[in-house]
Amino acid sequence: GNSVTQMEGPVTLSEEAFLTINCTYTATGYPSLFWYVQYPGEGLQLLLKATKADDKGSNKGFEATYRKETTSFHLEKGSVQVSDSAVYFCALSEGAGGTSYGKLTFGQGTILTVHP
Amino acid sequence: DSGVTQTPKHLITATGQRVTLRCSPRSGDLSVYWYQQSLDQGLQFLIQYYNGEERAKGNILERFSAQQFPDLHSELNLSSLELGDSALYFCASSPRAFRTDTQYFGPGTRLTVL
Repeated sequence: GNSVTQMEGPVTLSEEAFLTINCTYTATGYPSLFWYVQYPGEGLQLLLKATKADDKGSNKGFEATYRKETTSFHLEKGSVQVSDSAVYFCALSEGAGGTSYGKLTFGQGTILTVHP
Repeated sequence: DSGVTQTPKHLITATGQRVTLRCSPRSGDLSVYWYQQSLDQGLQFLIQYYNGEERAKGNILERFSAQQFPDLHSELNLSSLELGDSALYFCASSPRAFRTDTQYFGPGTRLTVL
């Protein structure tokens, strides 16, 4: 079945540091890939997505590139802020030919804390 | 604000009881998904409805059931509750049921079973 593996957390950084959160996946077909963010006490919000190989998703300074050859979708940001402190989830949606019609499979989540 | 509403926000009940969680999708979205978030299992897909019909099932217990009504709101029914059912339950909606669709999540219902 499909699976998503994220780097172990938590991650603690100082403000303006570079961020990388690794994400690798296992899936059949051609999944879409997503990064969602969850702030304390809130639901999940889409951060960015990519729907085919070599696509780059970007939003609010965050970027991730869909790498089919390495089955990866690593999240990066050049300079983090205190307000980026949250839990980040990598997820995939079933690819063409699958029967799951868009259900998301999530990684375990990575807690990011940014200090001033 | 995602446009997805869930009620109630918090629910505290006892083992063996039955509860109903309600979700209203974003205007125009036909697909509704239910997810469970717990410390030990993480975020897991439960069930999906599309335009009133069940489309996909995940790790949903037989004690749990759901439906989507003609106005597209959805309800998740949990019965014979156990301590292990305590979790955050999220509803999400998307325009269709395609793998490329963005899912918009509600704020969740926190269920505590005592």
